Amino acid sequence: GAGVSQSPSNKVTEKGKDVELRCDPISGHTALYWYRQSLGQGLEFLIYFQGNSAPDKSGLPSDRFSAERTGGSVSTLTIQRTQQEDSAVYLCASTDGGTDTQYFGPGTRLTVL
Amino acid sequence: QKEVEQNSGPLSVPEGAIASLNCTYSDRGSQSFFWYRQYSGKSPELIMFIYSNGDKEDGRFTAQLNKASQYVSLLIRDSQPSDSATYLCAFSGYSTLTFGKGTMLLVSP
Repeated sequence: GAGVSQSPSNKVTEKGKDVELRCDPISGHTALYWYRQSLGQGLEFLIYFQGNSAPDKSGLPSDRFSAERTGGSVSTLTIQRTQQEDSAVYLCASTDGGTDTQYFGPGTRLTVL
Repeated sequence: QKEVEQNSGPLSVPEGAIASLNCTYSDRGSQSFFWYRQYSGKSPELIMFIYSNGDKEDGRFTAQLNKASQYVSLLIRDSQPSDSATYLCAFSGYSTLTFGKGTMLLVSP
């Protein structure tokens, strides 16, 4: 079946602009995660959604970052007033909730000029 | 704070050799452990997971877990140039996985 999809694959924006990144998890997966990976670095956890529960936002680096998940499926990560240090690959992953195995999307490469 | 430690490498091995990748973790309560492979410019893909102490084999890959020592390893037999990638170790936490920064493996023909 279809895997996790993300859009856009690449996004170039100017400093101070807002951006929205989209993630469409595997059908039926109840848990969805956002990570950030800067060049040459590991995965930095941002936020986690599980079903209808309140999201775990403990990894969001600042209040410029927010995310929502509509209808328990598609999620949007919004970064307001982007800064150059926000440049990274933003990865989304999903699980079926019954296991910890996460399946990753292809990522969105964000470049802030 | 939960941590995963991996040698950043690169680990260089010749084609056909056994590559051994190691990882230590800090959270004694972790139950699930994962190895992901990440090619340059690509997203991580799952190679193996292991829950129980001992060895778990899947093709050329063997994961080894020692909970007492808080140590997990990945052996790759008959290494191929196509195995050249960064290997990420991860363990389960309360709500998500904690990832190491990865070990770069280079397999030379």
